[in-house]
Amino acid sequence: DIQMTQSPSSVSASVGDRVTITCRASQSISTWLAWYQQKPGRAPTLLIYAAVTLQSGVPSRFIGGGSGTDFTFTISSLQPEDFATYYCQQANRFPLTFGGGTKVEIK
Amino acid sequence: QVQLVESGGGVVQPGRSLRLSCAASGFTFSTYIMHWVRQAPGKGLEWVAFISYDGSDKYYADSVRGRFTISRDNSKDTLWLQMNSLTTEDTSVYYCARGVAGAQYYYYYMDVWGKGTAVTVSS
Repeated sequence: DIQMTQSPSSVSASVGDRVTITCRASQSISTWLAWYQQKPGRAPTLLIYAAVTLQSGVPSRFIGGGSGTDFTFTISSLQPEDFATYYCQQANRFPLTFGGGTKVEIK
Repeated sequence: QVQLVESGGGVVQPGRSLRLSCAASGFTFSTYIMHWVRQAPGKGLEWVAFISYDGSDKYYADSVRGRFTISRDNSKDTLWLQMNSLTTEDTSVYYCARGVAGAQYYYYYMDVWGKGTAVTVSS
C-alpha cells in the first residue's frame, strides 16, 4: 500500500497568513494526488485534484504543487472560513489512501 | 441539486451485519463511479470500497475485504454497502462519495460526498 505522510499535523496561523502543508508518498504517484478540506461535523470537500487542478468553485488562494513523492498545498492568504482539517489522498493505485490530516487552527 | 444521502447506520453488536444505503439525486447516477469512505471518531479518512459504473468492477480496502460488499442499482439511483462480521474497529461515520467525471482515472478522486451515516459496533 502507498503510505501518505502529511506534515505538520497541526499549524496555528492568523488571518492573512500564508500556510503550506506537505504530503509525502511512500512511492512515486506521479501527479495522482488530491487535497480535501473537512470542517468539524461535516463531510470532506474536494479542493484540488491531479496535484494542481483547482476544483470548480474553489477559491484561487488554494494552490497545489508537486509530483512524484513530494507535494505541497498552500493557502496564499488564510481566510476565517479556511480553519479546518486538510487531507491529501493518492489516486495512483488501490487501495486509495489518505494522509493523516493537518489541522489549521487560529493563532 | 446534486446530492447523496446515506442511511442505515446505527448501533450493532460485534459479529452482526448492517446494510448502508446511499440515495443519489441531481445527476445521472449510472455515469459515475462511486466510493465508500469512513472516518472513525476523532480519526482521519479511510477509503473503504469502489464500484464501477455498472457494478462489474469492485475494489476494497484490506481491512474490509471479505466482510463488506459494495453494490449499486442504477435503476434506483442507489448505492449500498453490506457489512458483515462487524467489529469494534468498524465504528465510524460512513460516507458515500462520487468519483470525479472526466479523464480516465479521475474517478479515483471524490467530488461529491454525502453527510454520512454513523455506525457504532458495541456490545
